[in-house]
Amino acid sequence: DTGVSQDPRHKITKRGQNVTFRCDPISEHNRLYWYRQTLGQGPEFLTYFQNEAQLEKSRLLSDRFSAERPKGSFSTLEIQRTEQGDSAMYLCASSLVGWSRGSMNTEAFFGQGTRLTVV
Amino acid sequence: GEDVEQSLFLSVREGDSSVINCTYTDSSSTYLYWYKQEPGAGLQLLTYIFSNMDMKQDQRLTVLLNKKDKHLSLRIADTQTGDSAIYFCAETSGYSSASKIIFGSGTRLSIRP
Repeated sequence: DTGVSQDPRHKITKRGQNVTFRCDPISEHNRLYWYRQTLGQGPEFLTYFQNEAQLEKSRLLSDRFSAERPKGSFSTLEIQRTEQGDSAMYLCASSLVGWSRGSMNTEAFFGQGTRLTVV
Repeated sequence: GEDVEQSLFLSVREGDSSVINCTYTDSSSTYLYWYKQEPGAGLQLLTYIFSNMDMKQDQRLTVLLNKKDKHLSLRIADTQTGDSAIYFCAETSGYSSASKIIFGSGTRLSIRP
């Protein structure tokens, strides 16, 4: 399977615990995004990377959230001291951004997501 | 700031055309997208349009863009039961290097027999 892979698919944690999610993008994709989706809502932007550089982080994002992409390939999203409001589906996407055949190649491919439940 | 708005629900009869509408606020939007999400499945890109285009057609799908009014629509011809899903409008800005992708809340399309 050469798509975007996320691990784990499901995570149940107690309030106050830390959790870490992993995303493996499509090979050679230079752009990686993290989104959060709750029931009945569209994906909410969290942060994105161009290679290993974190280019933007949502201003609405708590300091308890941190993401890394140390070698420009896989990425991790950590949530410290989880709260019940953090319960959501966490989505990762990757794309190859750059000019090719006259287009910018901005198609983002999404993974299946990690469903977090904080109890 | 950037914002993308969609109506929440649409119900159409099987075989009719579906038209899903979207408005956005970012005047520097360069690419606009339609994604499809089926129950329990990931987001799938259906089609996209560059901001210098008015229309794009791809088989049963027609995308219309009114840049002046910042209005985007997706028309699905001959709607089938397999088209039941949530459809998300999304946009990104920037030419040399696309920025983040902003999504609407999604329109749930249901098909009546």
